[in-house]
Amino acid sequence: DAGITQSPRHKVTETGTPVTLRCHQTENHRYMYWYRQDPGHGLRLIHYSYGVKDTDKGEVSDGYSVSRSKTEDFLLTLESATSSQTSVYFCAISETWAEQYFGPGTRLTVT
Amino acid sequence: ELKVEQNPLFLSMQEGKNYTIYCNYSTTSDRLYWYRQDPGKSLESLFVLLSNGAVKQEGRLMASLDTKARLSTLHITAAVHDLSATYFCAVIIQGGSEKLVFGKGTKLTVNP
Repeated sequence: DAGITQSPRHKVTETGTPVTLRCHQTENHRYMYWYRQDPGHGLRLIHYSYGVKDTDKGEVSDGYSVSRSKTEDFLLTLESATSSQTSVYFCAISETWAEQYFGPGTRLTVT
Repeated sequence: ELKVEQNPLFLSMQEGKNYTIYCNYSTTSDRLYWYRQDPGKSLESLFVLLSNGAVKQEGRLMASLDTKARLSTLHITAAVHDLSATYFCAVIIQGGSEKLVFGKGTKLTVNP
């Protein structure tokens, strides 16, 4: 299995609070991604990174920001969480022309 | 904008039967991936299809890619209960970004 961990695995937070999710890899892969998974929508890309300090928006980036200061870590921040951001968040990694490997997921509930 | 459609979205099968899941996409792409997800779990890579006419097989599952028709199929042969899961296709966006667009998934239930 690819070495990807996500933390926390579960989180409950209140509307309006900031939240940061962490993705950590031990594979030294260039690309890292954050997705959210919601019933009826499949997986949707939030942001992705193609190198240290190089990031770009995905399909559903509003309300989210990311940072990648080291190859192994990719952080997803919800500046002010809303109930619509309740979801399961997956991190993934890949190299060029290779499949993406997914982390175990983080279940976030915003009350 | 690349759109990916899977059908059916829900599939209930009897053990021993054959069936096909379809994945259509709207713009040119030459890479397609199939993933499996068990309830409450992460996604597991099943197949990587890198060129027109590519065919991959693993056990009772076979995947193919027709880039001219913008169509991939996942064929299930003699289904067994252990194949019950949600299956996603994902298509690469051309242009070197390595971004994928996922279909909504096909929830497969194999009944005894």
